[in-house]
Formats: sequence, structure tokens, C-alpha cells
Amino acid sequence: EAGVTQFPSHSVIEKGQTVTLRCDPISGHDNLYWYRRVMGKEIKFLLHFVKESKQDESGMPNNRFLAERTGGTYSTLKVQPAELEDSGVYFCASSQGQRYNSPLHFGNGTRLTVT
Amino acid sequence: GDSVTQMEGPVTLSEEAFLTINCTYTATGYPSLFWYVQYPGEGLQLLLKATKADDKGSNKGFEATYRKETTSFHLEKGSVQVSDSAVYFCALSPQGGKLIFGQGTELSVKP
Repeated sequence: EAGVTQFPSHSVIEKGQTVTLRCDPISGHDNLYWYRRVMGKEIKFLLHFVKESKQDESGMPNNRFLAERTGGTYSTLKVQPAELEDSGVYFCASSQGQRYNSPLHFGNGTRLTVT
Repeated sequence: GDSVTQMEGPVTLSEEAFLTINCTYTATGYPSLFWYVQYPGEGLQLLLKATKADDKGSNKGFEATYRKETTSFHLEKGSVQVSDSAVYFCALSPQGGKLIFGQGTELSVKP
């Protein structure tokens, strides 16, 4: 089966611009997560979708970040306007079934650099 | 709140050396514990896990034991290889909850 795919793999934008990250989960996985790792620190949870619904968005840093999951398939994470501190690696993960019983499958991440 | 602390890197070892990466956690209840690995240019992969106290997770020669009394889940391998060079993340998952990661430990194994 195809794994979790993320696009783009790298993005370099200027402060104030908009960037949209995309994640395609494994087909049939209802759970989709976004995480972020900033500057060698811990990987932090951003939000969790179950199908098209936001189950938990407690990790979203502020209202410059908007996540969507149209039709419960792929998801996008938009940052508008981007700030310097948004630089980092954004990971997407998916799983099926009950959250705590199902292993998470991660994508390779999108490295975002805001200059 | 729940948190994970792991030893800072980078850790540099010679091939066939013994590896320990320390991980301690703070959590309410009885979380599941995990080690994830990120090889260069790749995504995170689950290396091993343990779901209750005294469980030992193992995979690819790596082991970690869930120690409730010391709230630890240290990663060990008896003889590392160059191909083990990667970033290792300790993580916990509260019952029914999301993953909470440590800051990662970079391991470099020299031939």
C-alpha cells in the first residue's frame, strides 16, 4: 500500500507570504494528524481529524494556521501570513480504527523555511 | 501536563558499541510508550512500543522496558551499526490520546 505522502518536501517563503502544505493519508485511514518540529526541539501535536471533522485542534499555535480535510481524504495546512517562527518540519500521520490501538504512519515531512 | 524528556544529542559511537538513550516521562494514568526513528531523508517510523508496566518492546536489536517506578523507557542496543545512524524520538500516548514526543536524540555511528 502507498504510504502517507506530503507535498512539497521543501518550501522556502518570505515572511508575510502564504504557504499551503498537503498531506495524503493512507487510503481508508480515518484518523489524520498534523505535527510540527521546530529547530531541533520536540515534535509537537497540532491537530487531529477523524474523517472530515476536527477532533482536537488544541495544538494549533494561532489563527494564522488553518487546516482542512475535504471529504475526509487529503488534508491541507495553510499558514497565512507566515512568520519566521513558523519555520520547521511539518509531519502528517494517519491511522485507522481506534486512536490508541492503531499505529501511526508518518509521512516524510515538509521542511518549511520562512525568511 | 504530560511530557517526555530524553537525553540530548548528538551521540557519536563507534560501530559495535553499546547504545543507551535515556527517556523519562511525566504522565497521569497509564500511557503507552514508544520509540520512533527518523532515518536521513525519511519520515518517522515506529521502532518499538510498550503498553503497560514491565512490558519490553523490541525490534531490530533495540529494546526498551516500561519502568513505571522510575517513569523511564530507555532505549538500548548491544551493538550498533552505521545503518543505525538516525534521530530517535521517545513518545507517550495517554489512553485514547495523541502522541507526545521528546526532543529527539541524534545518533551517529562511525565505522
